[in-house]
Amino acid sequence: EIVVTQSPGTLSLSPGERATLSCRASQSVSNNYLAWYQQKPGQAPRLLIYGASSRATGIPDRFSGSGSGTDFTLTISRLEPEDFAVYYCQQYGRSPWTFGQGTKVEIK
Amino acid sequence: QLQLQESGPGLVKPSETLSLTCTVSGDSISSSNYYWGWIRQPPGKGLEWIGSIYNSGSTYYNPSLESRVTISVDKSKNQFSLKLTSVTAADTAVYYCAPRELGSGSSYWGQGTLVTVSS
Repeated sequence: EIVVTQSPGTLSLSPGERATLSCRASQSVSNNYLAWYQQKPGQAPRLLIYGASSRATGIPDRFSGSGSGTDFTLTISRLEPEDFAVYYCQQYGRSPWTFGQGTKVEIK
Repeated sequence: QLQLQESGPGLVKPSETLSLTCTVSGDSISSSNYYWGWIRQPPGKGLEWIGSIYNSGSTYYNPSLESRVTISVDKSKNQFSLKLTSVTAADTAVYYCAPRELGSGSSYWGQGTLVTVSS
């Protein structure tokens, strides 16, 4: 099983700042099949990025994904008020398709 | 565009079987474009992938749940289902049906249904 570890656990930032979230896999992720999700309280997760760097439909271009192999990054270039949420990465290159534990982006 | 609706009991007794159904609209459950899957989230915790079924036959399960989980498809009703046996309080969670498109993540999610395991 590929273990996925996200860091930091919590990120305290102000609107307009840049957010950098990290996701590390214990083994290389096949085909860079790595997705990022945003989840707000009481809502289902929303797909932001798939294939490590492809934005899902309707996702603003301030969200970008990068990385390959075992190290991946989600960058939010300028935080908007609606971006404060919990973010999860998930590898889906090899079953079981494991999630990281999440990074909470909170208002500083 | 897929639309998904979970249904099933919100309360299950310990040692019994949790059964949920996801009704799909917008595409056929026979479509080979999707892994039809389930994900859960215990209250206040993170996401856990439970398992998926592909092409109405191939199943993939989380090893931590594999001995208790069955995912199946009902083509006549355009539904897929989750059964989890011998439940305990640790199985209390919001359960989401969330198909994953080939090569992509899960763009479509049900609204989630809270299942509480309690006597």
